[in-house]
Amino acid sequence: SQKIEQNSEALNIQEGKTATLTCNYTNYSPAYLQWYRQDPGRGPVFLLLIRENEKEKRKERLKVTFDTTLKQSLFHITASQPADSATYLCALDPYGNNRLAFGKGNQVVVIP
Amino acid sequence: GAVVSQHPSRVICKSGTSVKIECRSLDFQATTMFWYRQFPKQSLMLMATSNEGSKATYEQGVEKDKFLINHASLTLSTLTVTSAHPEDSSFYICSATNLDRDGYTFGSGTRLTVV
Repeated sequence: SQKIEQNSEALNIQEGKTATLTCNYTNYSPAYLQWYRQDPGRGPVFLLLIRENEKEKRKERLKVTFDTTLKQSLFHITASQPADSATYLCALDPYGNNRLAFGKGNQVVVIP
Repeated sequence: GAVVSQHPSRVICKSGTSVKIECRSLDFQATTMFWYRQFPKQSLMLMATSNEGSKATYEQGVEKDKFLINHASLTLSTLTVTSAHPEDSSFYICSATNLDRDGYTFGSGTRLTVV
């Protein structure tokens, strides 16, 4: 079966440190992968998209890597701040028809 | 740019009644919008793809007669939950993609509670 897996345990991290989240997928060959932030009771907010031919993408304090051999993406928040506390979702388009499939998300708690 | 407005944000309805949720793209035209449902601690599950001027495409297991979708204009899609039951209580979210941008823009979601 096709799966998108994210760590179900919340990541508690000290302010200023780097938070690293993992997204693993099986039985897909996506052309790109996306990361979103979701706050409680709100819709997801798009953060970054990385394509299959890109190894790494950066946006301000965020960095995403994409390893199509390992079928894995890593999401990094550097110099984390309490305002970064949220759930982060990875998503991909399994069939190239814009119908996104999401992981369950990984909660990050940045401790001041 | 690329704002999607969703209303209402919360709704409580009685079992057996119908509820309509609106999703509007405010500053771009969206020929396609998507409707998701999210249960607590679960991932967003795609329910259907809403196509402007044509019938929606539903995901496997989603009842099209229960979840009516209308996409009458390039900026508005509606989801009507008909004959709602308590098990329909969930967080419903719409999204749209602006071809000029990467990623999808999501509405703020609608918390539906059926009592």
